Order: sequence, then C-alpha cells, then structure tokens
Amino acid sequence: DTGVSQDPRHKITKRGQNVTFRCDPISEHNRLYWYRQTLGQGPEFLTYFQNEAQLEKSRLLSDRFSAERPKGSFSTLEIQRTEQGDSAMYLCASSDTGTGGMRTGELFFGEGSRLTVL
Amino acid sequence: EDQVTQSPEALRLQEGESSSLNCSYTVSGLRGLFWYRQDPGKGPEFLFTLYSAGEEKEKERLKATLTKKESFLHITAPKPEDSATYLCAVQAAGNQFYFGTGTSLTVIP
Repeated sequence: DTGVSQDPRHKITKRGQNVTFRCDPISEHNRLYWYRQTLGQGPEFLTYFQNEAQLEKSRLLSDRFSAERPKGSFSTLEIQRTEQGDSAMYLCASSDTGTGGMRTGELFFGEGSRLTVL
Repeated sequence: EDQVTQSPEALRLQEGESSSLNCSYTVSGLRGLFWYRQDPGKGPEFLFTLYSAGEEKEKERLKATLTKKESFLHITAPKPEDSATYLCAVQAAGNQFYFGTGTSLTVIP
C-alpha cells in the first residue's frame, strides 16, 4: 500500500502526559499537512511542510504542539502536557505541487490518529 | 477572511432520490476547490478537484460543478453505500486548504 500511513491509530492518555504521532506520506509527495478534527466539524489546519521546511503554522496552535519533518520524509506531531480539549482525530495528508502554474495537488489523507485525553 | 460554508448540515434521502449539496466560499485567489468523502472514523477520501468557474467533474453517481461563489455536489439516484459525510475544501493564494463542516448524507433503502 502506497498511501499515507499514521501511527498509532488510537491513543488514550492521561491529562498532562506527552504524546507523539507519526505520519509517513506518499513517497513522491513533497508537501505534508497536519489537521485536527473533532466530531461534527471539518478538518482544522494545524501546520504544513514543504520538504523539511515548516512553512506555515496555525495561529490557533498552542506552543504545546510541535511538528517536525526531518529529511523531508516522515513527520511527527508532538503534544506536550495534554489537556482534555486536545481530544480529537489528528489527520495527516500529503500532496505534490500539482501540474504546474497555479494548479495544485489535492490532499491525500491517512486514516488518522484518534487521541483521547482522560 | 477565507471561509467555506456547507449546506445542509444533514440530508436524508430515499434510495434513488437525487439531490444536491452546496458549498459556498469566500477566498482571495481561489487555486482549487476540492470535494472529499469521509466515512465514520476514517480519513477523508478525495473525490474531485475543480479549478475554474464552469468546470464540471463526474464519477459514478456524483457530479461536481463550480461557479465563482459556490460549488454543488449532485448525487443522482443514490444508494445506501453513498451514505457518508461530504466535505468541501478550498485552497486560496497560499498553500492552506480550508474545509467546511461537511454535509452528513444518509441514504435509506
């Protein structure tokens, strides 16, 4: 399978603990995105990378959240000192740069990592 | 501010009853409008990309259209397996994708 893979699929943790999620994008895609989704809502943008560079980060993103993409391949999203409000599905997506000009590549999503903070 | 609004929030159809989902948007410099299908507990699955007003795309019972202010996802003679949440997203001048809250579609046999 050459799709986007995320690990773990489910994580239950206690408030105050740190958690880390991993995303392996489609191998030829140079862009990688992290989104958060809660029940009944659409995905909310967190951050995105082009190759290894983190180019944009949501203003709403707490400094407890950090993401990395060493060597422009897989990415990790770490949440420090988790809070109950962090409970959500964390989605990773990748894309290429499109067909040239203004056209852009669509996002391909993984199955998500569901976080429950007790 | 870039914004995406989807309607209705939820839609129940009888099998075979055609309908349309709406996605209205306000963005500066639309680079693309995307439709996704999402099943419970899964990541969104890509359906269509539309780039310019007047463009249409079709796939099986689904047809997506685009105007300067909105997009429609037409569902013709739906089947129960079409039940899912349908998400609309736009990409503006930057590389962010903005998603709507989705339309939850239920098709009753």
